Amino acid sequence: GQNIDQPTEMTATEGAIVQINCTYQTSGFNGLFWYQQHAGEAPTFLSYNVLDGLEEKGRFSSFLSRSKGYSYLLLKELQMKDSASYLCAVRDSNYQLIWGAGTKLIIKP
Amino acid sequence: IAGITQAPTSQILAAGRRMTLRCTQDMRHNAMYWYRQDLGLGLRLIHYSNTAGTTGKGEVPDGYSVSRANTDDFPLTLASAVPSQTSVYFCASSETGNYGYTFGSGTRLTVV
Repeated sequence: GQNIDQPTEMTATEGAIVQINCTYQTSGFNGLFWYQQHAGEAPTFLSYNVLDGLEEKGRFSSFLSRSKGYSYLLLKELQMKDSASYLCAVRDSNYQLIWGAGTKLIIKP
Repeated sequence: IAGITQAPTSQILAAGRRMTLRCTQDMRHNAMYWYRQDLGLGLRLIHYSNTAGTTGKGEVPDGYSVSRANTDDFPLTLASAVPSQTSVYFCASSETGNYGYTFGSGTRLTVV
């Protein structure tokens, strides 16, 4: 079966750095996405990785290792507005997105 | 309109009733999707359409139907609602290729 695993909840301090991990087992791989979802709102696109390595975009970076079936989202200089759920999704061989259940990130002052 | 519009925003529906959730996009995206999101579970694909005139079944299609008469609209119909269809429903669209999805603001449906 296809499976995306990510921690259910994480807590971090304002101004700090946090890494949210995602491991996957899917039938084929055509890219990995990270989305941010604030409570009661729609998911919004953060990043896309298809090749191994680190993609940096401002305070957010995403890393991919295809051989390990592993990705992480790194958030730097945390702000209170970063409190949200972070969703990992993998596009499989049929070009359909398989979604993890999301990681709820709580930022404390 | 800018992006994807879903209607209604929320609805309480009696079991056994028929209901259509509306989704319209103005980005001329080829592909559109319907997901449901339940607490503790990831987004689950109900139906999708890769282009106007075609549709396909996702992970949880039972009890739902869709149509794609044109590029912009992708309505989702519950023929006879059941309480297990209580969920938040998101419509999404994407351009063909390596692009992310754009989501609508969601419809919160409660079946009683």
